[in-house]
Amino acid sequence: GQNIDQPTEMTATEGAIVQINCTYQTSGFNGLFWYQQHAGEAPTFLSYNVLDGLEEKGRFSSFLSRSKGYSYLLLKELQMKDSASYLCAVTDSNYQLIWGAGTKLIIKP
Amino acid sequence: TAGITQAPTSQILAAGRSMTLRCTQDMRHNAMYWYRQDLGLGLRLIHYSNTAGTTGKGEVPDGYSVSRANTDDFPLTLASAVPSQTSVYFCASSETGLSTEAFFGQGTRLTVV
Repeated sequence: GQNIDQPTEMTATEGAIVQINCTYQTSGFNGLFWYQQHAGEAPTFLSYNVLDGLEEKGRFSSFLSRSKGYSYLLLKELQMKDSASYLCAVTDSNYQLIWGAGTKLIIKP
Repeated sequence: TAGITQAPTSQILAAGRSMTLRCTQDMRHNAMYWYRQDLGLGLRLIHYSNTAGTTGKGEVPDGYSVSRANTDDFPLTLASAVPSQTSVYFCASSETGLSTEAFFGQGTRLTVV
């Protein structure tokens, strides 16, 4: 079967760095997305990786290793507004998007 | 720019009744999707449409139907609601297929009692 695994919840301190991991087992691979979802709101796009390596976008970076079926989202200089759920999603060989259950990130002052 | 709009925002529906959730986008995106989101589970695809005039079944299509008469609108119909359809429903669109960024509506919180 197809599976996306992420930690259910993480806690970090304002100003610190946090890494949210995502591992996947899917039938084929055509890219990996990270989305941010604040409580009661819609998911919003953060990043897309299709090749191995690190993609940096401001305070957020996303890494992909296709051979390991692994990605992480790195958030630097954490702010209170970063408290949200972070969703990992993989596009499989049929271009179906498989979603993880999300990681709830709690930022403490 | 409105982006993608869903209506209603929330609804309480009696079991056995029918209901249509509305979704409209103004970005001229070809692809549109309906997801449901339940606590502890990832977003699950109900139905999708890659272009106007075509629709397809997702992971959890039973009990739901869709139509795509034009580019902008993608309504989701529950013919006879059951309590297990209590969920938050998100409509999304993307320029082409699922290898491009998706834009989500604000969601419809549906409670079937």
